[in-house]
Amino acid sequence: GAVVSQHPSRVICKSGTSVKIECRSLDFQATTMFWYRQFPKKSLMLMATSNEGSKATYEQGVEKDKFLINHASLTLSTLTVTSAHPEDSSFYICSARKNGQGLNEKLFFGSGTQLSVL
Amino acid sequence: DAKTTQPTSMDCAEGRAANLPCNHSTISGNEYVYWYRQIHSQGPQYIIHGLKNNETNEMASLIITEDRKSSTLILPHATLRDTAVYYCIVRLNSGYALNFGKGTSLLVTP
Repeated sequence: GAVVSQHPSRVICKSGTSVKIECRSLDFQATTMFWYRQFPKKSLMLMATSNEGSKATYEQGVEKDKFLINHASLTLSTLTVTSAHPEDSSFYICSARKNGQGLNEKLFFGSGTQLSVL
Repeated sequence: DAKTTQPTSMDCAEGRAANLPCNHSTISGNEYVYWYRQIHSQGPQYIIHGLKNNETNEMASLIITEDRKSSTLILPHATLRDTAVYYCIVRLNSGYALNFGKGTSLLVTP
């Protein structure tokens, strides 16, 4: 159990267009989800925390108007990269916190989305 | 969250035990030690976590020193599929995100 599905796994888009990435918790509810970005040979960097029914909390240096996050249900969070530019090309990964875990808390990760902006 | 220090890379022969160390000398009493791994171009995978007692599951064992300032992840019989970057993360078990450091790149060789 505890599967996180992320879609698409790979996307190529033209500069200036917008791209939406979906993150779904398939068999559990997640009030909180997290979005990360990873550049080649680098570690994961937290971009934002997404909470169902409220505004996302962005990390310092992450533009909230460029990286739009919507968490409209307990099983779905979306990240939209608006007006994408080549420097936005990266591996984007979502993570979900399963509701009700208590002290044995783990975070579950999607398989990632490789975004390439031409 | 407390900072962690891990070796940049390690090698291990297939079938042997892989012992991955992690230093977390500034850990506080209520912070947990988590281990995740990331196989190339995939999302991180949970391995194990613990507070102060040693832990074992079907994937690995976690040995935490008595003073909790360091720990070792043990993969008892490494396979080629265990080649990955292994992240040791210390955090409060309180619903916040995981902060990933640079991790250890483990290469399992035939």
